[in-house]
Amino acid sequence: NAGVTQTPKFQVLKTGQSMTLQCAQDMNHEYMSWYRQDPGMGLRLIHYSVGAGITDQGEVPNGYNVSRSTTEDFPLRLLSAAPSQTSVYFCASSGYRGVGEKLFFGSGTQLSVL
Amino acid sequence: AQKVTQAQTEISVVEKEDVTLDCVYETRDTTYYLFWYKQPPSGELVFLIRRNSFDEQNEISGRYSWNFQKSTSSFNFTITASQVVDSAVYFCALKTSYDKVIFGPGTSLSVIP
Repeated sequence: NAGVTQTPKFQVLKTGQSMTLQCAQDMNHEYMSWYRQDPGMGLRLIHYSVGAGITDQGEVPNGYNVSRSTTEDFPLRLLSAAPSQTSVYFCASSGYRGVGEKLFFGSGTQLSVL
Repeated sequence: AQKVTQAQTEISVVEKEDVTLDCVYETRDTTYYLFWYKQPPSGELVFLIRRNSFDEQNEISGRYSWNFQKSTSSFNFTITASQVVDSAVYFCALKTSYDKVIFGPGTSLSVIP
């Protein structure tokens, strides 16, 4: 099983550029989410989805867009990158809604915005 | 509102010492889940334990134990006889009925040989 696959692993952007971080899972999980990790701040929830066609904002949604057209994929879009978005990004998924299943994490994307 | 607090930013212990990592949570939900995850220096996130709000039994797994107390909204994690391989960042997390999972800021544990 591939689990949760994130691409790319590393990315450098210039301020104002746009890009999409890809996340795919092959476990038929309903719940998918994006976190950013910054030193001393832990993992902060950006956006999450409880199923195809359903998304909602997390703790730090500004500057990011998401959509969920399929169960498998949950891309994160940066429309106009800013240096404050330099971070490590993790995608995570879990199974049936409403049940306390653990999160399965991708390996992370190191993003630098110059 | 949901919140997870891990007041200890960094802890340093000598190998074989016991260490307790504190976690305090806030939620108005009556049904919720608490988790601990470990992030070793390699960067991946590793699931350690899950607890639901109806089960206050303490749990022991090898050198790890967890103390869940609803009265104080705490879910503390103890490592007995710490080892160098325990050096990592440890995160406490909360999942409520709205499904989203909120993490605390993490505690960085260094075990010195």
